[in-house]
Amino acid sequence: AQSVTQPDIHITVSEGASLELRCNYSYGATPYLFWYVQSPGQGLQLLLKYFSGDTLVQGIKGFEAEFKRSQSSFNLRKPSVHWSDAAEYFCAVGADNDMRFGAGTRLTVKP
Amino acid sequence: KAGVTQTPRYLIKTRGQQVTLSCSPISGHRSVSWYQQTPGQGLQFLFEYFSETQRNKGNFPGRFSGRQFSNSRSEMNVSTLELGDSALYLCASTTRDSPYEQYFGPGTRLTVT
Repeated sequence: AQSVTQPDIHITVSEGASLELRCNYSYGATPYLFWYVQSPGQGLQLLLKYFSGDTLVQGIKGFEAEFKRSQSSFNLRKPSVHWSDAAEYFCAVGADNDMRFGAGTRLTVKP
Repeated sequence: KAGVTQTPRYLIKTRGQQVTLSCSPISGHRSVSWYQQTPGQGLQFLFEYFSETQRNKGNFPGRFSGRQFSNSRSEMNVSTLELGDSALYLCASTTRDSPYEQYFGPGTRLTVT
């Protein structure tokens, strides 16, 4: 069965610092890959997606993610974090009529 | 295009009661999925409906049920509420062309007392 792992439960970064959130998946073929962001009490907002092609994908709010097939990873990055980026981030994997979400990484931004 | 809407946004119910939550997908989206989100369990898939048919179901007891109408709007029902049903219930819709690209509503916060 496919699975999604977000190794970091909580990450704290200073405002203006760079950010990388990790996501690893377990699946035989390349699934559809997504990153979502959730602010407290809100639904999930789609940040970016990867289906095929260029392994570096750009999303909204200045986020990007890189798909690395050899590492089964799809890490999310942002060069300079803003205080408004504080939220919970979810990696998601879709394949074979099944959608799985990671447990989430909570991002705290220090002033 | 309007996003996914869910009503009500907040709900307080008593143990043993039943509740119905509603979800209107993005116009043109025919698939609706429901999730339960709790701090301890994270996001858990409840079920998915496409063209008024349940296409997929998660591992939840029969107290949790859903349906979809011809206009793609969906409802989920929880009967005989338990304290552990307190959660944020999220609805997501997708297009036929991109079945895994889910767009979420704001959720319904259900509190069971």
